[in-house]
Amino acid sequence: DTGVSQDPRHKITKRGQNVTFRCDPISEHNRLYWYRQTLGQGPEFLTYFQNEAQLEKSRLLSDRFSAERPKGSFSTLEIQRTEQGDSAMYLCASSPQTEFETQYFGPGTRLLVL
Amino acid sequence: GQNIDQPTEMTATEGAIVQINCTYQTSGFNGLFWYQQHAGEAPTFLSYNVLDGLEEKGRFSSFLSRSKGYSYLLLKELQMKDSASYLCAVIIRNRDDKIIFGKGTRLHILP
Repeated sequence: DTGVSQDPRHKITKRGQNVTFRCDPISEHNRLYWYRQTLGQGPEFLTYFQNEAQLEKSRLLSDRFSAERPKGSFSTLEIQRTEQGDSAMYLCASSPQTEFETQYFGPGTRLLVL
Repeated sequence: GQNIDQPTEMTATEGAIVQINCTYQTSGFNGLFWYQQHAGEAPTFLSYNVLDGLEEKGRFSSFLSRSKGYSYLLLKELQMKDSASYLCAVIIRNRDDKIIFGKGTRLHILP
């Protein structure tokens, strides 16, 4: 068990560009979550998947954001036409369906939009 | 609306005991947990409470009162490595499941 991994760990982009992040959950975990965290704040829930189904999307997730988990394994989070306000740490977590409360977080992808 | 409150910062001395409080106003409450987060790192799971009472795990204990919408995390025998942010988070279970995090409490440990 290698834990939750995320790629890339850091991303610097120019405003208006598109970016895509990847999350590989712990292999036997059905649930996968995306959060965004800015400095001095707790993680803000964005969306979550149970297997390949996207079950919940926060209102924080504007039309520029899209997430997929096509085969119920890894997930991608894409941000189109990035804005400076998108600069944040994007965290992925996974949990087994039977243990909703125990989420294991990945190391995060830190995005800086210039 | 859903709301979680915890102090922004606290300071304590190495070897002492500190209690970090968390109050919440939510609908569909289905449990509360505490996470520790060191600067620049991902949160790591500390504890989970769904029933009223105290859960003890080594130097850390967590308490929950559902009727009061209140929880605390108790840290004993503080060590310098305990300097971190402590996040209170509530599980919401209505039509779907969701977790709402508080803003975190930055704990500073002094030698």
